This record gives sequence, C-alpha cells and structure tokens, in this order.
Amino acid sequence: QQPVQSPQAVILREGEDAVINCSSSKALYSVHWYRQKHGEAPVFLMILLKGGEQKGHDKISASFNEKKQQSSLYLTASQLSYSGTYFCGTAYTSGTYKYIFGTGTRLKVLA
Amino acid sequence: DGGITQSPKYLFRKEGQNVTLSCEQNLNHDAMYWYRQDPGQGLRLIYYSQIVNDFQKGDIAEGYSVSREKKESFPLTVTSAQKNPTAFYLCASSTGQGATNEKLFFGSGTQLSVL
Repeated sequence: QQPVQSPQAVILREGEDAVINCSSSKALYSVHWYRQKHGEAPVFLMILLKGGEQKGHDKISASFNEKKQQSSLYLTASQLSYSGTYFCGTAYTSGTYKYIFGTGTRLKVLA
Repeated sequence: DGGITQSPKYLFRKEGQNVTLSCEQNLNHDAMYWYRQDPGQGLRLIYYSQIVNDFQKGDIAEGYSVSREKKESFPLTVTSAQKNPTAFYLCASSTGQGATNEKLFFGSGTQLSVL
C-alpha cells in the first residue's frame, strides 16, 4: 500500500543529475516530497497538487502524472548538501485523513 | 518558536517492559501522527489522530498504543507485545483540515533500542 520509490539508492558525483520516481497503486490526489538527513527529521521540499503540475525549488524540481499515479523528483547539478533520503508522501482520505510515505530513496553525492 | 518536541532522544527498553515516547506540539495542529523508521526503509504509519480523544490505527499498529487526551500531546507506548521495537520513531503534526496540500511538521525523533 506504500507508494514505491525507485531507485532504492543512488550515488552521484557533484554536478551530476538524478531522477527519483514515486509510484502508487492507488489514486494520487497530491504528492509531497521530503528530504531526511541521517538521524534527523524529514524536511518538506514541495507539494504537487494537480496532474501535470511541475514545481522547482533551487535546482530540485518535480512533476506529477496523475493519470499514471506517479511523480518524479529531478535533482540537477547535484551538490553535496543534496545527500540524504528522499521520500514521497501522499494523503488518502477514506473516512479519515491518512498520510503515508513512500519506501524512500537514499542519495549520496560525492565530491 | 512553534514546533514539535519529542523526548527522549534515545531510549532503551528491557525485555517485557513497556516504554512511552513523548510528543508535544505547540503549533495548534489538530492532526498528529506516529511513524516508525527502520534502517534503510521508509516511514511506516503506526497511529494517527485527527482530533482530541480520537485516533486510528495505521499500517503497523500491533504492539503499540496511543492516547490523545490533549490537543498538544500524542504519546506512544511501545508495549511488550512489540517483539522488534528497535527503530527510529518520528512524531509529526499537520493542521488537520483534510486538505491535500497540508504538509507535515516533524519532531527530531526518538531512537529506541532493546537491551
């Protein structure tokens, strides 16, 4: 039931690009992206609310394909500070409002 | 400053013991959540609460219990029935309006280990 993320882990050199995918078996009405540094709380990056929506945050952007129930996070010209675990999240409203996260993608940027 | 406070940061449990993790928020949020994170894995929902005196089981509620007697507080008890409690536990809150654009605010987490 958890959204599935791919890849599970990725290693990059500084300046390289990466794409992280989030795929759900249930309809997605919104997608949220968070980044977590080791041993710390996840930090909110962005929300995508509508199918086809794309957003950017510094050199990190995301897209949302509502029809395919997928979202992708794009990291461009990666920096050392981008290292961490990335999670997609989504809210399901079936009676109550329930917020769940994807399986996570560990990203390591090397100098 | 408003935020979410989790305590303790590290907690050790002896076999057969119940332990309680504290989560307090001063954001005036209605909704609160507990997640469990295992090394290299995602965040799995344990319990959540939309309003005071009401809470629902998440995907992995077995071996855990919660209470929501006050809006600000949502403590999680890890009972002796939870046979594999070692994990990083995160508490979060949101406004709880049920809008799909709500974002979660997280505490700094509690690392629970078994002695």
